[in-house]
Amino acid sequence: NAGVTQTPKFQVLKTGQSMTLQCAQDMNHNSMYWYRQDPGMGLRLIYYSASEGTTDKGEVPNGYNVSRLNKREFSLRLESAAPSQTSVYFCASSEAFGTDQFFGPGTRLTVL
Amino acid sequence: GEDVEQSLFLSVREGDSSVINCTYTDSSSTYLYWYKQEPGAGLQLLTYIFSNMDMKQDQRLTVLLNKKDKHLSLRIADTQTGDSAIYFCAAVNSGYALNFGKGTSLLVTP
Repeated sequence: NAGVTQTPKFQVLKTGQSMTLQCAQDMNHNSMYWYRQDPGMGLRLIYYSASEGTTDKGEVPNGYNVSRLNKREFSLRLESAAPSQTSVYFCASSEAFGTDQFFGPGTRLTVL
Repeated sequence: GEDVEQSLFLSVREGDSSVINCTYTDSSSTYLYWYKQEPGAGLQLLTYIFSNMDMKQDQRLTVLLNKKDKHLSLRIADTQTGDSAIYFCAAVNSGYALNFGKGTSLLVTP
């Protein structure tokens, strides 16, 4: 089992460009999450999907959109990237909402 | 939102015990977690404790929970250089999402 996979691993964007971060899990988990990690800020929840077919805003949703494509896949989209979105993005999944989460390796995004 | 607080740095000598402390504010937190993050990697679940427990031991790891004071600690016995990493405390909040602390950087020196 690969666990949680994320693509790409690294990305550089110019301000105003758009992109989609992909996440997939093969553990048959119901819940999936997107976090960003910034120095000195810990992890902050952007969006989550408690179950297939539902998505909800987390602590810092502005500037992002998500799609729960199916039970396995949960994508994060930046429509118009800004330098403030330079961060490391982690996807996670859990069997049920609120239970222990398993994390992907992260995507390091730089917006110039 | 609910806060989870941790000290930012801890340095110990190889072979000593490490104790990483965490406090949380949401008294309804049912599960509390410890995650480990090595450089350039994602978070790895180390252990967790349910709120009706005081202590949980798993090999070199001991988790202590003082629910009255909302204080959680992670003790690593016989700390090794491979234990150098950032350790995150996380608590399930009333909305069932996880709130993470900012992480404690553990440095183990030979």
